[in-house]
Amino acid sequence: EAGVTQFPSHSVIEKGQTVTLRCDPISGHDNLYWYRRVMGKEIKFLLHFVKESKQDESGMPNNRFLAERTGGTYSTLKVQPAELEDSGVYFCASSQGLAKGGTGELFFGEGSRLTVL
Amino acid sequence: SQQGEEDPQALSIQEGENATMNCSYKTSINNLQWYRQNSGRGLVHLILIRSNEREKHSGRLRVTLDTSKKSSSLLITASRAADTASYFCATDALSGGYNKLIFGAGTRLAVHP
Repeated sequence: EAGVTQFPSHSVIEKGQTVTLRCDPISGHDNLYWYRRVMGKEIKFLLHFVKESKQDESGMPNNRFLAERTGGTYSTLKVQPAELEDSGVYFCASSQGLAKGGTGELFFGEGSRLTVL
Repeated sequence: SQQGEEDPQALSIQEGENATMNCSYKTSINNLQWYRQNSGRGLVHLILIRSNEREKHSGRLRVTLDTSKKSSSLLITASRAADTASYFCATDALSGGYNKLIFGAGTRLAVHP
């Protein structure tokens, strides 16, 4: 079974440009999460999808960030326009819902490293 | 602000020694989880301990949870060079009936041969 996959693995853009990160969760996982880690700091929660709905987007930094999960499958996270402080590693994770026998464990992708110059 | 805080930030030991990492948190939790991250890779789930449990074992891993002190510890016994990684605790408070994991900044463990 394929794990969580993220694309691209690394993106280097200039300030003001747009970047779109993609995450393909494990098939059948209703829950999809985005996290971000900046320069050795904590892994910060950004938002949580349940199927195609945003359950919790309290961690999204500002309106330059837009996350979508059309059809409840893969998700995209767009940063437009990118700023220097957006640099970091963006992790996606998915999990089985508790009602479907999930344990609460999250399965992570390997992350997309974003560098804004 | 984030929930979990790991201590120490970095730990360097020799192979065969035990490694202990601590985690403190602020609010009530449903469970606490430990994850490992090898450099440049994603996080991998190690162990989950529920709020009504005090200790849990998995192979060379031992996790304790003290809800009165809002703290947890991860012990890796007989460490190996391959255990070199960053270790994160994550608290799950359940939000709206769904899991919501809040992570700390992690402990960087270096195990030297």
